[in-house]
Parts: sequence; structure tokens; C-alpha cells
Amino acid sequence: NAGVTQTPKFRVLKTGQSMTLLCAQDMNHEYMYWYRQDPGMGLRLIHYSVGEGTTAKGEVPDGYNVSRLKKQNFLLGLESAAPSQTSVYFCATDLGGPYEQYFGPGTRLTVT
Amino acid sequence: AQTVTQSQPEMSVQEAETVTLSCTYDTSENNYYLFWYKQPPSRQMILVIRQEAYKQQNATENRFSVNFQKAAKSFSLKISDSQLGDTAMYFCAQETSGSRLTFGEGTQLTVNP
Repeated sequence: NAGVTQTPKFRVLKTGQSMTLLCAQDMNHEYMYWYRQDPGMGLRLIHYSVGEGTTAKGEVPDGYNVSRLKKQNFLLGLESAAPSQTSVYFCATDLGGPYEQYFGPGTRLTVT
Repeated sequence: AQTVTQSQPEMSVQEAETVTLSCTYDTSENNYYLFWYKQPPSRQMILVIRQEAYKQQNATENRFSVNFQKAAKSFSLKISDSQLGDTAMYFCAQETSGSRLTFGEGTQLTVNP
């Protein structure tokens, strides 16, 4: 089992370009999350989903959109990238509730 | 809003010694869960230990243990017999409603040979 995978692992964008980050899980988890990690700020929740077809905003949702069309996939979109979105992005999944979250390997995104 | 604070951006310890990482949090909830996650240079996030707030007993996982002080809203991580492989960024986190996690800023721990 692959667990939680993220595509791509690295990406460089120019300001104004768009892209989609893909998170895929084979753990049959209902809950999925997107975080961004910035130096000195820990991980901050962007959006999350409690099941197929559902999404909700987290702490820092502005500039991002998400979709959960299939239970195993959670997509994070940047419609018009800005330098402030330079970060490492992590996807995570869990069963829902106070359980361990399982993280993907991360995507390093640089916006120039 | 929930907040989690780690006041030590960096720490170092000699191999085989003991080190304690600090974490404080703020919540109005009575029942909640606290976590320590480890992020080694590989960038992979790994759960180290979990504590349920309604349990008086401090959680322990091999060389890792916590000192949970509910009244003080403090949740420190003690690493005994430190090993080189413990070098990592450590994040304290609190579970909020809907199973979302609020993370602290992180403490970079370096274990020196």
C-alpha cells in the first residue's frame, strides 16, 4: 500500500500561473486535509474534507480551492499563484476524530 | 480560536542524554487530544505520542514521554537516551472540533554525537 501520495513533489510557478496539487490515499479514510508549512509558523490548515463531495475552509483558505470528487483523491488548486504561496504543502488523512493523521511526503512550491 | 505555542525554536542535546521540549496551548474545551509529531530531514511527518486530556496518566511510548499539566495547559515532551535519529523538527498539536489539528511553530532538535 502506498498510503498517502502527493503529486508533484516539486514545482516552480510564475506569478499568475495556475496549478493543481493531487493527493491520493489508499487507506479508505473519510477525512482529508491540506496544510501549508512555512518557517516559524508550523503547519496551517488550508482546506479539509470530511467525505466524498464535501469540502470546508480551514485557517488560511484564501487563494486556494479544493475538490473531493472521489473518496481517495483530494485536489488543491491555485488559480493565480502569488509569491506568498511559496511554501511546502502537505496532504493528510485520518478516520475522523482524535486519531493519528497520516501525511503525504509534501510538495515544495516556489512562486517567482 | 485554539492556539498552540512552542517557545523554543531550537534545542540541542548530547547523544544518550535527556531533553524536554515545551508546549503550551489555549482552549476552552474540557475534553481534547494533544499530539507530538516529528519531522526528520526527510520531511515526512510522523506521530510520536498522543495524550487524551481526560486521562490523568501521562502517555509514554518507549523513550518518549509527556508531562501533561491540564490546569496549566502545558504539554511537554521528554526524550530519554537521545539518539542521532531523533534529530528532527518536533511539532506540538491540539485536536480541535472536527478532528482538525492546530500546530505549534515547531522546535528544531539536534542530537550531537
